[in-house]
Amino acid sequence: GAGVSQSPSNKVTEKGKDVELRCDPISGHTALYWYRQRLGQGLEFLIYFQGNSAPDKSGLPSDRFSAERTGESVSTLTIQRTQQEDSAVYLCASSEQGGGHEKLFFGSGTQLSVL
Amino acid sequence: QKEVEQDPGPLSVPEGAIVSLNCTYSNSAFQYFMWYRQYSRKGPELLMYTYSSGNKEDGRFTAQVDKSSKYISLFIRDSQPSDSATYLCAMSGNTGGFKTIFGAGTRLFVKA
Repeated sequence: GAGVSQSPSNKVTEKGKDVELRCDPISGHTALYWYRQRLGQGLEFLIYFQGNSAPDKSGLPSDRFSAERTGESVSTLTIQRTQQEDSAVYLCASSEQGGGHEKLFFGSGTQLSVL
Repeated sequence: QKEVEQDPGPLSVPEGAIVSLNCTYSNSAFQYFMWYRQYSRKGPELLMYTYSSGNKEDGRFTAQVDKSSKYISLFIRDSQPSDSATYLCAMSGNTGGFKTIFGAGTRLFVKA
């Protein structure tokens, strides 16, 4: 595609519910990253995919958070039993090769609100 | 102490002013330094990319890196209202991981 696509753009859920956030990276980009951005704060790294494997998942805050990537393309970030502190913008980025030293292309994010 | 420190602002300047944005960092392993611009309700987009110390200029934008002081700067000349956005510094290197570390971002307002 022309850019990184994320869906939904907005998600409102009740505390305790599970949510799935989707990311479609730029076609051909092997690396995919998930970041979280709380209001007024910087980007917090969550997980990095190279192809379909995740060599760095050190940023996932708890075992309620998981992510997968299939077909070296689409990725899904799942948050189980959502809590109010999970409210944030979840950003996905892709890059051509990965490794953390290259240009990241970001989607517009999913604004998650947990009531 | 955060790995990357950045004053969140907001910073308000008149159109045409020179803007100076900066970040400090603590990890000497960082070698790649970037500035991203983020408009409201959009994802960040890469503005400047620098390897190691030195200056890089691109149009009205100049990025400076001083590794000895662990200090990076972004200068915007002849600022325009369209430059109003949040500017995030970012860096990476041989830190044992694959992630880019971001500062908190500085909100900039350029008044017409």
